[in-house]
Amino acid sequence: QSALTQPPSASGSPGQSVTISCTGTTSDVGGYNYVSWYQQHPGKAPKLMIYEVSKRPSGVPDRFSGSKSGNTASLTVSGLQAEDEADYYCSSYAGSKIVVFGGGTKLTVL
Amino acid sequence: QVQLVQSGAEVKKPGASVKVSCKASGYSFISYDINWVRLAAGQGLEWMGWMNPNSGNTGYAQKFQGRVTMTRNTSINTAYMELSSLRSEDTAVYYCARLGLYWGQGTLVTVSS
Repeated sequence: QSALTQPPSASGSPGQSVTISCTGTTSDVGGYNYVSWYQQHPGKAPKLMIYEVSKRPSGVPDRFSGSKSGNTASLTVSGLQAEDEADYYCSSYAGSKIVVFGGGTKLTVL
Repeated sequence: QVQLVQSGAEVKKPGASVKVSCKASGYSFISYDINWVRLAAGQGLEWMGWMNPNSGNTGYAQKFQGRVTMTRNTSINTAYMELSSLRSEDTAVYYCARLGLYWGQGTLVTVSS
């Protein structure tokens, strides 16, 4: 049950696109299409942005998109806005009701 | 609307135990697993385990095996997470969640002598 690997930081200017990666193994990311992405602002609970690799919950802007290739999932934020500045976490199902999270990526909007 | 409301902040001494509650409303409590996740300062989200409120069955992350117990009281739609043998590294915000859309507001547990 090792944490998924995310870059500690990412940044972009308003209007640009940024992609955050999330690398696991065949036992988690690569083995299931159950990757989720969460946005967390300081002092707030995590907010679901993407589920099942690429699906967006109601109310999440279509600027947020997800994908997966092999053992690596990605979150792309297009048209960056100031309010997108937050910590982002990926998570994956790992079998037997086990869930594993990534270490988190701090997204800075320059 | 679905709500998960957690108990208030706790301060504990090393070696003690803490029990955090999570009261569910707005849906059938026994129909969805409750997961517990924590966030320590400077660290990432960490999954601790799950509990099925209907059966009481549980599953814990290896790291917490032997130290965590997840229970429920279906008569009051409340889930509990108890963590024992606390150490300073357990200082964190603890969340209950129906993983995905619904999260509690978080409970700060501070472990300090």
